[in-house]
Amino acid sequence: KQEVTQIPAALSVPEGENLVLNCSFTDSAIYNLQWFRQDPGKGLTSLLLIQSSQREQTSGRLNASLDKSSGRSTLYIAASQPGDSATYLCAPLGGGTSYGKLTFGQGTILTVHP
Amino acid sequence: GAGVSQTPSNKVTEKGKYVELRCDPISGHTALYWYRQSLGQGPEFLIYFQGTGAADDSGLPNDRFFAVRPEGSVSTLKIQRTERGDSAVYLCASRLRQGPDTEAFFGQGTRLTVV
Repeated sequence: KQEVTQIPAALSVPEGENLVLNCSFTDSAIYNLQWFRQDPGKGLTSLLLIQSSQREQTSGRLNASLDKSSGRSTLYIAASQPGDSATYLCAPLGGGTSYGKLTFGQGTILTVHP
Repeated sequence: GAGVSQTPSNKVTEKGKYVELRCDPISGHTALYWYRQSLGQGPEFLIYFQGTGAADDSGLPNDRFFAVRPEGSVSTLKIQRTERGDSAVYLCASRLRQGPDTEAFFGQGTRLTVV
């Protein structure tokens, strides 16, 4: 059974800092991994998708990396802004016995203060 | 529509009643997921459909929960004899197809409150 852990659980930083959010998963038989953000009381917004054959994906100030064999992904946020404040969730898409299933961690709550 | 649509956005029901939650996926998306999210927690998997069939329903907590997708598009999550512990946000997501290059897109959720 896939289990996903996100570290840290919460992070509070001043505006302008570069950040790293960590995601680890127990079953490396995955097809891809998605990073999402969730604003309070809202649904999930997709940020980046990394396929299992890829090492990195970039979108603007966001960069996500994937090390499938070690079961880890990181989300790097450059030059953080108050508008980046949200909960960030990672979700590997399962293969094998978890075929087609997205499994979520608990998320990292990010607060960027001016 | 342009995105995944869930209705109603909020539902308050009395303990013991039956409720139905609806999800309209993005047109043409073959995979559809239901998740449940409690306050401060990540989304918890309930069930996913590939087309009309439930490919994995291992997350349904008990036999009070049931979901259908009869024509391979709209899905309904049905909860019988609701309990206060069923109170949560129910999220729906869809993907174009099974494949490593396809993103999942989520709706805004239905907030269910059982009183």
